[in-house]
Amino acid sequence: AQSVTQLGSHVSVSEGALVLLRCNYSSSVPPYLFWYVQYPNQGLQLLLKYTSAATLVKGINGFEAEFKKSETSFHLTKPSAHMSDAAEYFCAVSSAAGNKLTFGGGTRVLVKP
Amino acid sequence: NAGVMQNPRHLVRRRGQEARLRCSPMKGHSHVYWYRQLPEEGLKFMVYLQKENIIDESGMPKERFSAEFPKEGPSILRIQQVVRGDSAAYFCASSPGTGGGVGNQPQHFGDGTRLSIL
Repeated sequence: AQSVTQLGSHVSVSEGALVLLRCNYSSSVPPYLFWYVQYPNQGLQLLLKYTSAATLVKGINGFEAEFKKSETSFHLTKPSAHMSDAAEYFCAVSSAAGNKLTFGGGTRVLVKP
Repeated sequence: NAGVMQNPRHLVRRRGQEARLRCSPMKGHSHVYWYRQLPEEGLKFMVYLQKENIIDESGMPKERFSAEFPKEGPSILRIQQVVRGDSAAYFCASSPGTGGGVGNQPQHFGDGTRLSIL
């Protein structure tokens, strides 16, 4: 069975400050890991994915995430927050051959001017 | 290049009525997934379908819920005799379905149907 834990359901950052969203996973097989972003009243948009090629993954909108097997983590970062980053972010896991995603509870990001 | 289309965007039903949610996958995609998002929670997998086949329904409630993906037309998620606890956002995702699992083919999500039960 796979599971995902996102620490902090709400994060508040100042515009221009570092964004750090935490994700820890458990998986009995090598995982594939994803970060999605959800804007109000919209579906999920893929930010980035880890599929065992490189441990540091770069995504859209300046986001990146680092896979750390020893810590079973896949934290999402962005060096400088922008107002448009205000949204909810979801970490998800799947097995390589799996066809369903297991999501964390989400982290809502508020960006202060 | 249309994405995953879900309709209606908002659906209001009274307790005991039926709700039908529709999902048209992206062009060229033959695999469809349904997820449910309860208020203040993440998405929970419900069912995975290919054309005319249910592949994995391990996340579907045992009663009142059913899903289909016919040879022609959209995928339908059907909820019979709705109750207040069915109020949620229901998301559909699709993937091409060839060349491996979700790691090689990320799922593309629609904007969801917000179901409200009065």
